[in-house]
Order: sequence, then structure tokens, then C-alpha cells
Amino acid sequence: EVQLVESGGGLVQPGRSLRLSCAASGFTFDDYAMHWVRQVPGKGPEWVSGISWNSGYIGYADSVQGRFTISRDNAKSSLYLQMNSLRAEDTAFYYCAKDISSSPGGDFDYWGQGTLVTVSS
Amino acid sequence: QSALTQPASVSGSPGQSITISCTRTSSDVGNYHYVSWYQQHPGKAPKLMIYDVSNRPSGVSNRFSGSKSGNTASLTISGLQAEDEADYYCSSYTSTTPRVFGTGTKVTVL
Repeated sequence: EVQLVESGGGLVQPGRSLRLSCAASGFTFDDYAMHWVRQVPGKGPEWVSGISWNSGYIGYADSVQGRFTISRDNAKSSLYLQMNSLRAEDTAFYYCAKDISSSPGGDFDYWGQGTLVTVSS
Repeated sequence: QSALTQPASVSGSPGQSITISCTRTSSDVGNYHYVSWYQQHPGKAPKLMIYDVSNRPSGVSNRFSGSKSGNTASLTISGLQAEDEADYYCSSYTSTTPRVFGTGTKVTVL
């Protein structure tokens, strides 16, 4: 059974940093691209960042470019999102999502349960 | 403003068929062959229902089908059931990001 478990969310002040983690199991992690997708309650999802199976391709949404860094550790079947210079508008549920292919084409067939990031003073 | 516009709500009675549209409003959505659909129940993560316009992932009911004509993609739910009541989002590739999501449609089963 595919499982994606996010952790690391919480309340953080504007301008500070937070690191999200996603532990994957139930599939061959290094065969697939992975993504972070966020969603403000009551709004639609927003793709944040994606990484190919071998980290050869990395992409970011314009809204987080230069502030967020995605990475993966295939040996640990884990995905990460380092979030710096956080803003109030970054407040959302953050989901780890598995791509259906090894390159980040952007179809997400499995999602984690989400972790809430709240940026507020 | 999203590059993909959906109706805010669609409703139907059990057993009926409903169709949700997703219209491309931006030229950024270049290759509209890569349209997918997600179902989201309250408090849950989205679930992939259709990818590449009309393909169903393993385990998704064949009551769900996708199609496309010109700038509009559609998701049809046949034999509507109470469990189909949820929010539905279309999604597409763009020239700058792997995915952009639509505005979302709330499906109500009467």
C-alpha cells in the first residue's frame, strides 16, 4: 500500500523558516517524480514544486521561486521542502504527492494527508 | 486568476449523469492533451480520477469518463451516487509549470 506521510508543519512567524518532510513507502521511491502541492482551505490546489526521480529536474511555482528548495533522498525514500522567508500568503495545507511517471509531468496519483503551515505573528 | 475555468456548482439526482466543464482561458495552457481531474471530499486529499484527458487510473470507477473538444475538457459522472458528492478540480500542463488547477466545481447529489 502506497503511503506518504508529511511532517514538519506548524505555526511560524513571517520571515522565518520551516522544513517539511515526506516519508514514502509501498512503492519504489526512486522510480518516480515527486511534488509538493499546497491548498488554502476552501480554495483549489496550487502546485508548489516538483523534482524528477534523480533530482535532474527541479521546478518551482513563481510564487515560491527563490524562497523554497525541494530535495529528495532516495536512500531514505524521503522528500523535503525547505521553506525560507515565509509569508502570510504561504499559509496552507502542504501535500506531498507522487507523480505517475519518473519525470514531473504533473499527474499526482497518490497524496499524503497534508501538513498545515500557518505563517503569522 | 486561474487559466482553467469551471462552473462553481453542478447538481444531479441519484442515477443521473452530470458533466463538469473545464475551459482553457490562457494561452499558457499550451498542450491541452494533458488534462486531469481530481475528486476531493471535505477534509481529504485530492484523488486522481482521470489523466491525459480520458484515462482512468486503476481502481477508479468506470462511471467516471473524460473528454475534450477544442478549449474545453469535460468530466462526466454516470449513474450519480451519493458518494460522488465532492469538489472536482481539473488540471493541465502549462508552458511554465507542470500543473495548474481549475477553479473547482462542487457536485451536489440531490
